[in-house]
Amino acid sequence: QVHLQESGPGLVKPSETLSLICTVSGGSIKSYYWSWIRQSPGRGPEWIGYFFYTMRAWYNPSLEGRVTISADMSKNQLSLRLTSVTASDTAVYYCAKLWGNDAFDLWGHGTMVTVSS
Amino acid sequence: DIVLTQTPLSSPVTLGQPASISCNSSQSLVQSDGNTYLSWLQQRPGQPPRLLIYKISNRFSGVPDRFSGSGAGTDFTLKINRVEAEDVGVYYCLQATQFPPMYTFGQGTKLEI
Repeated sequence: QVHLQESGPGLVKPSETLSLICTVSGGSIKSYYWSWIRQSPGRGPEWIGYFFYTMRAWYNPSLEGRVTISADMSKNQLSLRLTSVTASDTAVYYCAKLWGNDAFDLWGHGTMVTVSS
Repeated sequence: DIVLTQTPLSSPVTLGQPASISCNSSQSLVQSDGNTYLSWLQQRPGQPPRLLIYKISNRFSGVPDRFSGSGAGTDFTLKINRVEAEDVGVYYCLQATQFPPMYTFGQGTKLEI
């Protein structure tokens, strides 16, 4: 059974880079499409982007230019980099597995990231 | 950009009674392949979202049959036949556009007993 675990710093300073890792266990990262999704306090989720190992990554246009999603196949890990962060990037960040191409059927428990000096 | 508007934003319900949540899209969600990629997720307090329904009306594995989805085009509905205590949480609709890829969530409906 596939399991997802996000990890990374809980506090990032404004203008710096947010970097998170999602470790995939119980299955190969090459087998599925993967996404990063975030949820600001009290708000609905926001899709950040998705990744499949044979394709370019696709990103939410609202974050294009600041975001990079990549993977380390040898470690079965997905990564997220978000540059030039501001307080509005404060959120719980989830990695999630895509079901077909249209829904997210498996989510990690999420990791809270606060942007503050 | 597609905007999904859910109503109501908050829904007090009675155990054993039905509940209904609407999701309206700012434009038709029918894709070029003829499919409509509208799904529903449940988020219990302190938990990540959980997939309930995909492609408008298909229940995901393990989802109780008291949950059902319907709709077409721009208007969609999630119904709970008889609300149970474990159904408390926030419900989101989600649309997927195939190309370029884009996924948009509704703002959520809080179901409370």
